Amino acid sequence: KQEVTQIPAALSVPEGENLVLNCSFTDSAIYNLQWFRQDPGKGLTSLLLIQSSQREQTSGRLNASLDKSSGRSTLYIAASQPGDSATYLCAVRPTGGATNKLIFGTGTLLAVQP
Amino acid sequence: DGGITQSPKYLFRKEGQNVTLSCEQNLNHDAMYWYRQDPGQGLRLIYYSQIVNDFQKGDIAEGYSVSREKKESFPLTVTSAQKNPTAFYLCASMEGNSPLHFGNGTRLTVT
Repeated sequence: KQEVTQIPAALSVPEGENLVLNCSFTDSAIYNLQWFRQDPGKGLTSLLLIQSSQREQTSGRLNASLDKSSGRSTLYIAASQPGDSATYLCAVRPTGGATNKLIFGTGTLLAVQP
Repeated sequence: DGGITQSPKYLFRKEGQNVTLSCEQNLNHDAMYWYRQDPGQGLRLIYYSQIVNDFQKGDIAEGYSVSREKKESFPLTVTSAQKNPTAFYLCASMEGNSPLHFGNGTRLTVT
């Protein structure tokens, strides 16, 4: 059974620092992996989607990497800003079984201190 | 602008009453989903639909029901059989291998 884990559960950094959020998954049979951002009381916003054949995706100050063989993905945020404070979730889309059912991690709560 | 609209944003109900949460999308996506989010537990899948007039139970379907009569609409009914209905409910949609899109959620409080 696919399981997705995000460590740490919470992270606090000073403004301007570069940081890395981690996502691990137990089964490498995935179509893709997505990173989302969630602000308090809001829905999730898709940040980056990495297909299984890709190694990384970049959008502005965000870079996501994928290593299927080791079951790991990282989200790198460069030059963090207070506006980056939010919960970040990753999700994998499995290739086996019900392939339209994404499996979510429990998220990392990021606080960027001014 | 294309997107997913969930209404209402806040909903209050008395215990024992059924309540229906609305989800409408204009993205022309085939697949739609309902998730429940509780503090510290992440997202749990309630029901999903891959095409009109078809839907499947997710991981926590007991006490919930859905319908998919139109491509753009996927309402969720929280019945009186749901033991702990107070939660944040999120609707989402997806097409092919594209990103999953979410609505802004409905916070349901049952007293």
